[in-house]
Amino acid sequence: AQSVSQHNHHVILSEAASLELGCNYSYGGTVNLFWYVQYPGQHLQLLLKYFSGDPLVKGIKGFEAEFIKSKFSFNLRKPSVQWSDTAEYFCAVNAGTGGFKTIFGAGTRLFVKA
Amino acid sequence: GAVVSQHPSRVICKSGTSVKIECRSLDFQATTMFWYRQFPKQSLMLMATSNEGSKATYEQGVEKDKFLINHASLTLSTLTVTSAHPEDSSFYICSAREWSSGSADTQYFGPGTRLTVL
Repeated sequence: AQSVSQHNHHVILSEAASLELGCNYSYGGTVNLFWYVQYPGQHLQLLLKYFSGDPLVKGIKGFEAEFIKSKFSFNLRKPSVQWSDTAEYFCAVNAGTGGFKTIFGAGTRLFVKA
Repeated sequence: GAVVSQHPSRVICKSGTSVKIECRSLDFQATTMFWYRQFPKQSLMLMATSNEGSKATYEQGVEKDKFLINHASLTLSTLTVTSAHPEDSSFYICSAREWSSGSADTQYFGPGTRLTVL
């Protein structure tokens, strides 16, 4: 069965610091990978996704993620965070073979200090 | 982008009553919709997968008689929490998969419904 683990539950950064949130999944086959963001009081929004091709994926708001197949990882990065990036970030995986179920990680709560 | 709405956004009900939550895809057709439950400070837990015109597929541990799902059209799925109890209080989120070859695996999420059972 698929599973997703996010290494950090809480992260506190100052503005302009660099961000990297870890995500590892367990599934032996083809996967589709996602990062979602949930701003306070708002619903989930898609940040970026990987289906195939270039393993370095660029998303909205300056975020990017790198798929490393050998490490079963899909870490999210941003070179310089802003106060407005304060939110909860979820990594998600679904099986590319048409399993259709998307499994979410536990989430990482990011707080950016102004 | 694709928009998914949920109604109501908040509902408070008495123990023993039933509550219906609607999920609509506003500008696309969704052959598949998903219902999640999110506990405070926790991740989303998939409850069931709903395919238009067929019975929903429930995840292990989710009572199908308690959480009735109906997906009668390509734009509407409903979740009915029957005989609600305080432990059913939670945040319920639906998502819809947009059917197109380039985005068949992208889900769009509704804003969620906060259910409080007294």
